[in-house]
Amino acid sequence: GAGVSQTPSNKVTEKGKYVELRCDPISGHTALYWYRQSLGQGPEFLIYFQGTGAADDSGLPNDRFFAVRPEGSVSTLKIQRTERGDSAVYLCASSLKRGGLGEQFFGPGTRLTVL
Amino acid sequence: AQSVTQLDSHVSVSEGTPVLLRCNYSSSYSPSLFWYVQHPNKGLQLLLKYTSAATLVKGINGFEAEFKKSETSFHLTKPSAHMSDAAEYFCVVTSYSSASKIIFGSGTRLSIRP
Repeated sequence: GAGVSQTPSNKVTEKGKYVELRCDPISGHTALYWYRQSLGQGPEFLIYFQGTGAADDSGLPNDRFFAVRPEGSVSTLKIQRTERGDSAVYLCASSLKRGGLGEQFFGPGTRLTVL
Repeated sequence: AQSVTQLDSHVSVSEGTPVLLRCNYSSSYSPSLFWYVQHPNKGLQLLLKYTSAATLVKGINGFEAEFKKSETSFHLTKPSAHMSDAAEYFCVVTSYSSASKIIFGSGTRLSIRP
């Protein structure tokens, strides 16, 4: 079946603009995660959804970052007033199991560049 | 608190020789540990996981890892490297009690010499 998909694959924006990044998880996976991966670093946890609710958003760096998953499937990560430091690859993953104990299936990521 | 340290940012081995990628962890609770691999322009893929069952864990593509509580280590090994093993490898720690706190190491880039 289809894996996790993310759109767009690349996004270039200007400082101060608003961006939305989309994640389509594997069908039936109730757990969904967003990560940010900067160059030369491992992925950094941002937020975890169990169903429609954000079970843990402690990794969001500040209030410019927000994520939703209104129907428990597709999720959108929203970044307001983008800054150059937001440039990174944003990864989405989904899992059958609650929490982080199950295998996570990762999407290919969205490369965000803020000029 | 949880943390994970990958001791080598880059490892280079010759094809057919053993691979050792080192990982040390810190966790206040019984940890669950994973190794993921990231090939260029591809998504992260699970290699293997330890969740308090057997301490020697076998994964895909001939990789295995041993959980050593006394040494707080979870090193990844493979007896014989193949050219297709060249990739970035990440050690990951989480725990049942804080399962959304998923901590990735900074990664080890594995290069294979012909």
